Amino acid sequence: QKEVEQNSGPLSVPEGAIASLNCTYSDRGSQSFFWYRQYSGKSPELIMFIYSNGDKEDGRFTAQLNKASQYVSLLIRDSQPSDSATYLCAVNEGNDYKLSFGAGTTVTVRA
Amino acid sequence: DAMVIQNPRYQVTQFGKPVTLSCSQTLNHNVMYWYQQKSSQAPKLLFHYYDKDFNNEADTPDNFQSRRPNTSFCFLDIRSPGLGDAAMYLCATSRPPEETQYFGPGTRLLVL
Repeated sequence: QKEVEQNSGPLSVPEGAIASLNCTYSDRGSQSFFWYRQYSGKSPELIMFIYSNGDKEDGRFTAQLNKASQYVSLLIRDSQPSDSATYLCAVNEGNDYKLSFGAGTTVTVRA
Repeated sequence: DAMVIQNPRYQVTQFGKPVTLSCSQTLNHNVMYWYQQKSSQAPKLLFHYYDKDFNNEADTPDNFQSRRPNTSFCFLDIRSPGLGDAAMYLCATSRPPEETQYFGPGTRLLVL
């Protein structure tokens, strides 16, 4: 599996603030990028995916992709205590339907 | 609702005693995956099936085996669990050409 790097955190933000999560990947040929949220003791759940350079917004979440820099980020606006979780970045390796996951960034939203 | 189901949710086994974890899906997805996830680590892909075709990761120990008797079910067999095999085991599915993987709730395995 290819390398996917994330800041481990924890990232602590006050309620209502913006949480910014970063992810870098090693395989320049990667085409698809995913963000999953994982609550403690639970399984990952998909937040959003992005395929093209630029920004993609879904509610309070914005994914940003820069393939030239091999960088994908996730912004969480108006952070809520319920956003406290570990966020996993995942990158598709190519054409074999496998994802490489980062170890995740743990976010804590302070009320 | 269409979903991925894993049983049991918690499994306690003894060192060296074989254990089987199961996964079923009502999504009619072609691909089923098994991941191992230890605390604060990335999910580690063990193997996956594309329909009946089995794909093993190069670094998956021989102690781990899998069966997929039909589209809906997939099993993970751990032949002789060691203490280091204690982890969360995640089953996921996908339907190419879509690449999104959908996860079941996981089975937490404890080895005594």
